[in-house]
Amino acid sequence: EPEVTQTPSHQVTQMGQEVILRCVPISNHLYFYWYRQILGQKVEFLVSFYNNEISEKSEIFDDQFSVERPDGSNFTLKIRSTKLEDSAMYFCASSEQSGGVADTQYFGPGTRLTVL
Amino acid sequence: QQQVKQSPQSLIVQKGGISIINCAYENTAFDYFPWYQQFPGKGPALLIAIRPDVSEKKEGRFTISFNKSAKQFSLHIMDSQPGDSATYFCAAPPRDQAGTALIFGKGTTLSVSS
Repeated sequence: EPEVTQTPSHQVTQMGQEVILRCVPISNHLYFYWYRQILGQKVEFLVSFYNNEISEKSEIFDDQFSVERPDGSNFTLKIRSTKLEDSAMYFCASSEQSGGVADTQYFGPGTRLTVL
Repeated sequence: QQQVKQSPQSLIVQKGGISIINCAYENTAFDYFPWYQQFPGKGPALLIAIRPDVSEKKEGRFTISFNKSAKQFSLHIMDSQPGDSATYFCAAPPRDQAGTALIFGKGTTLSVSS
């Protein structure tokens, strides 16, 4: 069964450093998403991406964040200057475009980001 | 309102019992209601989803009940098993369109005791 994959599984970084989280969405999916989950809290939407541009973003997704699809398979989330409060589990998700309506989003296993 | 309110926060059920988790929403534009299951250290996995053209959907031991007038939907797990012990999230997109965000409830931690 196709699945979303993410690397690395755990990333430790120093405050102020840049990090790039990587995702490989399901191959025939057209929409890509990033969510985060602070330990013990709910999953929060960051951004969605379609046709090489941001489709929607939340208030959390400020200028410190950026997304990119550098090639035909990878989808990345960059945090330019990490803060302690960026420590969380980051999930990538993807979905097919199904008649233009909301469709199932398939989540990857996540990257645990720890900012020291 | 863009919130999805989920209850209870935690639930302990005996093996073989029925687990019931409830969610309420305010935005009448919500038109797709998935439930996700998450095991520790893993990503959320779609369990079952419903659209409001039906009031109930059943898949195996899992049933979603939907009450459009009350703006509530619930997950019922019949014959609960220890392997069902996980965190369950209800969710809804604020717009019924491809690529839109999912708004998640705060989650319910289910423990099924043997």
